[in-house]
Amino acid sequence: SQQGEEDPQALSIQEGENATMNCSYKTSINNLQWYRQNSGRGLVHLILIRSNEREKHSGRLRVTLDTSKKSSSLLITASRAADTASYFCARGGNQFYFGTGTSLTVIP
Amino acid sequence: SQTIHQWPATLVQPVGSPLSLECTVEGTSNPNLYWYRQAAGRGLQLLFYSVGIGQISSEVPQNLSASRPQDRQFILSSKKLLLSDSGFYLCAWVDRQVMNTEAFFGQGTRLTVV
Repeated sequence: SQQGEEDPQALSIQEGENATMNCSYKTSINNLQWYRQNSGRGLVHLILIRSNEREKHSGRLRVTLDTSKKSSSLLITASRAADTASYFCARGGNQFYFGTGTSLTVIP
Repeated sequence: SQTIHQWPATLVQPVGSPLSLECTVEGTSNPNLYWYRQAAGRGLQLLFYSVGIGQISSEVPQNLSASRPQDRQFILSSKKLLLSDSGFYLCAWVDRQVMNTEAFFGQGTRLTVV
């Protein structure tokens, strides 16, 4: 990708389990953002973490950032079938590069 | 409130035909504007971004071009489509007046070149 990779590429879990997705990026950042995409739709912003932050929470979402390793993780707790979607990380800035995405399937 | 409009939602075009996809933003001024392409099951590839009228930066050499004739209008064009231009095209905007802010996306155009 132009600026980063997510892993795993695909993740399948049972409803109620936690889902963890990782993102690595290549250059310095001002912020790191996570987005969700339902099939065939535009992306929706989930959460933004600034470069001077290490962890951030929003509802069932928890994001961590390790700038020394140039990596971030998104944790979705107590997953639901409606969480099934693709998740992307993005480096904020003029060029707004996105990673390759993780396809999450939550099985009811 | 701000909204972004992108059309058409789907498009089937023959090889060699021209292309024009339009994206407009309402409720904000002087946004950064972006065009992305997404192949099936893949990530988003940044094609073009613009920080102002007439200012276009191209990320990837390709068969496409972009223009920004007005502050809130961003157009993606091609003179002659190739099969490889098929994909899901997404427009997005960012409020450049705000530090550390998110991108807002249109609903996308699915282009099939036949």
